[in-house]
Amino acid sequence: AQTVTQSQPEMSVQEAETVTLSCTYDTSESDYYLFWYKQPPSRQMILVIRQEAYKQQNATENRFSVNFQKAAKSFSLKISDSQLGDAAMYFCAYRSTKAAGNKLTFGGGTRVLVKP
Amino acid sequence: EPEVTQTPSHQVTQMGQEVILRCVPISNHLYFYWYRQILGQKVEFLVSFYNNEISEKSEIFDDQFSVERPDGSNFTLKIRSTKLEDSAMYFCASILSRTSPNEQFFGPGTRLTVL
Repeated sequence: AQTVTQSQPEMSVQEAETVTLSCTYDTSESDYYLFWYKQPPSRQMILVIRQEAYKQQNATENRFSVNFQKAAKSFSLKISDSQLGDAAMYFCAYRSTKAAGNKLTFGGGTRVLVKP
Repeated sequence: EPEVTQTPSHQVTQMGQEVILRCVPISNHLYFYWYRQILGQKVEFLVSFYNNEISEKSEIFDDQFSVERPDGSNFTLKIRSTKLEDSAMYFCASILSRTSPNEQFFGPGTRLTVL
């Protein structure tokens, strides 16, 4: 079974600075999808960024980018120019392309605090 | 923009009572999911549903749980006899296709409190 690990329970960043969140996963599959979801205090799950494992190019969405290292099974998220609205829980998630139900497997989350 | 909706936003119930959580997935989506998140913990998969049957379920999804899509639009999660440990946020999600790289769209969640 796939597992996703986020080793940082909490990260603090100064407004306008950069923070990087770590995520590692374990899988025997070669094709899969990886996601970062943001969960603000409202607890709504909001997609931040996605990465297809077959793509070597790292995904980027505005101030959010990933460093996808397939061999190392690592998928870190970089938030540049941090804003107060970035404060939230961030969850890394894995989705198989083969499993019948294509469920998401989530990591334990990293709480991001943004200091003004 | 289409969205997944869930009702109620908050449900309080007594231990041993039955609850039904409701979801309306995005209209052209084909795969539906329930996840739960106990306060302060990670989001856990419960069940996936396609073509009117369960395609995968977790160990959490025991005989106390059931899902159905009664009318082609609603997708419900029933807990027959609630326990204190069922208190959690329950999220519904949907996706167009299992081969799509797109994300699962999540609803806003239902907070279930079992007293």
